[in-house]
Amino acid sequence: QMKLQESGPGLVEPSQTLSLTCVVTGDSISSADYSWSWFRQPPGKGLEWIGYIYSTGRTYYNSSLESRLTISIDTSRDRFSLRLSSLTAADTAVYYCARGVKTGTCYSCWFDSWGQGTLVSVSS
Amino acid sequence: DIVMTQSPLSLPVTPGEPASISCRSTQSLLYSNGYKYLNWYLQKPGQSPQLLIYLGSTRASGVPDRFIGSGSGTDFTLEISRVEPEDVGVYYCMQTLQTPLTFGGGTKVEIK
Repeated sequence: QMKLQESGPGLVEPSQTLSLTCVVTGDSISSADYSWSWFRQPPGKGLEWIGYIYSTGRTYYNSSLESRLTISIDTSRDRFSLRLSSLTAADTAVYYCARGVKTGTCYSCWFDSWGQGTLVSVSS
Repeated sequence: DIVMTQSPLSLPVTPGEPASISCRSTQSLLYSNGYKYLNWYLQKPGQSPQLLIYLGSTRASGVPDRFIGSGSGTDFTLEISRVEPEDVGVYYCMQTLQTPLTFGGGTKVEIK
């Protein structure tokens, strides 16, 4: 059974850069059938899509975060990562990684597996 | 960006009774291939979202048949034919037709 597990710091200071990693087990991140996404959810609020990456390295970012965001993939270690710079309190959220199912020209048609999430607080 | 609007915000339900959640998009989610790029997720308390329905009406693996997704290009509905106590949580619709992928604001289902 495939699993995704996020890891990263629980606390980051304002203006710093957040780095998170999602490790995939039970499946290959190189599969042509899937893409790999990041989402976040501020405490008590709804879900926001951050961006996704395909095994080729092709990325799609939410335009609201694009200037601060980098998503990368390491197919040799079955993991993908997020870097978000210039953090503010508004970036405080639970961050989730998820697997997107690719079909046809749709790289992330639906998300069938999610990590448990990791809470990131931005505070000094 | 495609804006997704859900209603109601909160839905008190009685076990064994049906329930219905509405989701509306500002653009048609029907693609030229005939597929509707609309998903439904349930986020149970303290858990990650879990996929219920994809492509508007296809139940994900392991999802009970009491969950039924339907809809046209811009108006979608998730119905629960007979609510079970384990169905409580927040339900989200999500469009994957175009980036940025966007969610509805969520509908909180709770037992009366």
